[in-house]
Order: sequence, then structure tokens, then C-alpha cells
Amino acid sequence: DAGVIQSPRHEVTEMGQEVTLRCKPISGHNSLFWYRQTMMRGLELLIYFNNNVPIDDSGMPEDRFSAKMPNASFSTLKIQPSEPRDSAVYFCASSFIVGTGRGNGYTFGSGTRLTVV
Amino acid sequence: KQEVTQIPAALSVPEGENLVLNCSFTDSAIYNLQWFRQDPGKGLTSLLLIQSSQREQTSGRLNASLDKSSGRSTLYIAASQPGDSATYLCAGNQAGTALIFGKGTTLSVSS
Repeated sequence: DAGVIQSPRHEVTEMGQEVTLRCKPISGHNSLFWYRQTMMRGLELLIYFNNNVPIDDSGMPEDRFSAKMPNASFSTLKIQPSEPRDSAVYFCASSFIVGTGRGNGYTFGSGTRLTVV
Repeated sequence: KQEVTQIPAALSVPEGENLVLNCSFTDSAIYNLQWFRQDPGKGLTSLLLIQSSQREQTSGRLNASLDKSSGRSTLYIAASQPGDSATYLCAGNQAGTALIFGKGTTLSVSS
């Protein structure tokens, strides 16, 4: 298995531009998570999908952030317009979860390092 | 709101020492707990998963335990090696929620 695949690995963009981060979860996993990591705040959950449906998006910072999961094998996180304070490493993770939470643990992708100048 | 505290924030030890990393949750109703390792500039690698019906897991020189009555977990590393140098992250979730992470313990093992 190739694991969780994220693209791009690095993204440098100018303030105000639209940024799209992509994630391919592990085949057979039914849950997908987007996290953001900064030195100050550590790893923060942005949004959680189960069976392609958003379950918890309370961590999405503001309306500039949006996430979609059109099918079981693909998800995007979009920032429009981007701001310098969005600079961080964005991780995608997937898992197989049944019921209220029994599953096989999370597998993380390698992350996308976003720099907004 | 669930919060996760990891102590110590940083730890430096000589090679060969046994060590314990600590993690605590403000809400002790932890369903699953997972320990990860993160090398500088890299992603997260899962080390151990303690599921809802379990209290302990072991893998090689690593042992993790979870006390659900107190909401505390420990990661025990036996006979530490320079290759163990990394940041160790503890994460837990309650039923139906996603993992919430601590800020990690940065471990440095000197040869």
C-alpha cells in the first residue's frame, strides 16, 4: 500500500492567491482527517470526514477555508484567499472506523508545507 | 473541550537509559489512544495504538499504557538509542470524535 498520499509537498504562494491541497487516503479507509501543524499551536484538527460526509468542521479557522471529499479516494482542502498566517504544515490522515470509534488507528501522509508570502 | 498535556516538553538522556514519557487528558473518557513519532520536517509515524478495550500495548522496546480512571498514559522506552531521537506525540479521542494531540515531547539521546 502506498499509504496516504498528499500533494504538493511544498507550496509557496502570494497573499490573496487560492491554494488547493490534495489527499488520497488509503484504499478501504472510511475516515479522513485534515490537520494543521504550527510551532505555536501544535497539531490542530481542521475537519473530519466519515464515509465522505463531513462530521466535524469546528476546527476550520474561518470561511476562507473549505474542504471537500467527492469520493472515497480523494479530498481537497482549499484556502481562498490565502494569508501569511495560514503558513503551516497541513497533514491528511485516514483510518477505518466503525461505530463510535473502534478502528485501526490513523495513518498520516507526509504533509504539505505551505508558505504564504 | 478536551486538552492533552505532555510532560516533559523536552528530554535529553545518554544512550542506554530507560525513560518514560507522560501524557494526560482533561477528560478521562478516552476511547482510543495512539502514540506517534515525528522526525524533524517529516510526517507522523504511528508507534502504538491502545483501543477501547485495551489498557496496554507493546512493540519491541516500546510499551504504552493507559489508565482510563485518571486519563493518563505513559510511553516507556527501554534501552534508548540515538536513533530514538525525535518528537513523540500522544493523541486520544472520545467515542465518535477525532484524535486530539498533545504538543509532544522532544527526545534527544546522546551516544
